[in-house]
Amino acid sequence: EPEVTQTPSHQVTQMGQEVILRCVPISNHLYFYWYRQILGQKVEFLVSFYNNEISEKSEIFDDQFSVERPDGSNFTLKIRSTKLEDSAMYFCASSESRGRDLASPLHFGNGTRLTVT
Amino acid sequence: SQQGEEDPQALSIQEGENATMNCSYKTSINNLQWYRQNSGRGLVHLILIRSNEREKHSGRLRVTLDTSKKSSSLLITASRAADTASYFCATDIAGNKLTFGGGTRVLVKP
Repeated sequence: EPEVTQTPSHQVTQMGQEVILRCVPISNHLYFYWYRQILGQKVEFLVSFYNNEISEKSEIFDDQFSVERPDGSNFTLKIRSTKLEDSAMYFCASSESRGRDLASPLHFGNGTRLTVT
Repeated sequence: SQQGEEDPQALSIQEGENATMNCSYKTSINNLQWYRQNSGRGLVHLILIRSNEREKHSGRLRVTLDTSKKSSSLLITASRAADTASYFCATDIAGNKLTFGGGTRVLVKP
C-alpha cells in the first residue's frame, strides 16, 4: 500500500538555525498538509497546499515557516530560524480529494521529531 | 472553545471488553473522522463519516454521528492488546483541513 514518507525521522538543531523537513506524499494525491504535535498535546494544523500554492494556513504558520513542492514529488517545510518552542513532531499528510462531498481521508507520514536546543 | 474534544481522556480495559469514546464539537461539519496513533508514530485513518450519515462500521469499529447533539462516538468491540493507542476525532468543516481533538488514550490489558 502506498505511504507517505518523511525524512529525517529525528532532527536536532540549535536555536536560530534553519531546518528543512522533507516529505514524499502518495503519488496520485493532490492535496498536501503539514501538522505538528507538541509532546502530549493536540495535533495542530499548520498549512495546506494545492496546485503549487498555499490553500490555508494557521496562526502558527508565521513568516518563519514556508512550504515548497520543488520537483513534483517532494513536499518540504522550512523553518527559517528555529525557536525552542518549535520542538515538536511534524507530520506531513496527503489526500486524494477534498471538498464538501468529495473529502477523502488524510494519509500521514510517521513524522519528524524536531528538537531545538 | 475547542472543535473536537474527546471523552474520556484515558481508558483502561481488559482484552475482550468493548471500548467506547466520545467526541463533541462546536460548529457544523462536513464530515468527522477518527484516527489512531500508536506511540511515536503517525496517525492512521480509521473511519470517515459524513454529516448526512448516522452510523458506519469497519470491522470491529463502529462510529455514530449525531449532528443535532454535535457528537460522535467510536466503539471498539472485543478489544485486543494491539488496540492500545491514542484515538483522535477530527472535524472537517469546509472540506479543506482537519481540526483534531486532544485524543483518548486507550490501554488494553492482556
